[in-house]
Amino acid sequence: GAGVSQSPSNKVTEKGKDVELRCDPISGHTALYWYRQSLGQGLEFLIYFQGNSAPDKSGLPSDRFSAERTGGSVSTLTIQRTQQEDSAVYLCASSLVARGNTEAFFGQGTRLTVV
Amino acid sequence: GQQLNQSPQSMFIQEGEDVSMNCTSSSIFNTWLWYKQDPGEGPVLLIALYKAGELTSNGRLTAQFGITRKDSFLNISASIPSDVGIYFCAGNYGGSQGNLIFGKGTKLSVKP
Repeated sequence: GAGVSQSPSNKVTEKGKDVELRCDPISGHTALYWYRQSLGQGLEFLIYFQGNSAPDKSGLPSDRFSAERTGGSVSTLTIQRTQQEDSAVYLCASSLVARGNTEAFFGQGTRLTVV
Repeated sequence: GQQLNQSPQSMFIQEGEDVSMNCTSSSIFNTWLWYKQDPGEGPVLLIALYKAGELTSNGRLTAQFGITRKDSFLNISASIPSDVGIYFCAGNYGGSQGNLIFGKGTKLSVKP
């Protein structure tokens, strides 16, 4: 597709269950970002992938959070043993990162609700 | 995590008025980006700035990359109801530090 695609768009899960959120970046984009946005708040950086470099995981809030990017394209964010405070919108973005260009384009997000 | 200082947090303006918001950072950025987010949507890129002192326009929007590389502002001229939303600034250090750091947003409400 032409833009960043995230799935599912909405996810309701029970506390303690694991969830997987998927991001399909724009074709050819080498960088991929995950952010978390709580209701009415700003964007909290989670993790950043760039090409074959080791990902920047400095924003992951706990060891229950992990992400991988297979083949330099699709990324999956996994949250294990979900807690109610994990409820938020999870946003994915991708950028080309060529010659200093770091314009990032966002998907629609996945709204996660932990009950 | 690290965030930029974005102000104001919110503003109510009359339709037709000009709007100004800004972001500051304690660190030097190589890139400044401005986004707008509508309810239930992901942020949409408005303007990208790459050089200190750069002034860029996109329709009624104008943004500048501060000379010190530690600040940026966004102006909206002659606001209209569809300008309502949350505006975010974002900065990038460049090089190996590729992640974008976001401000907390400016919520814009326009009185029709």
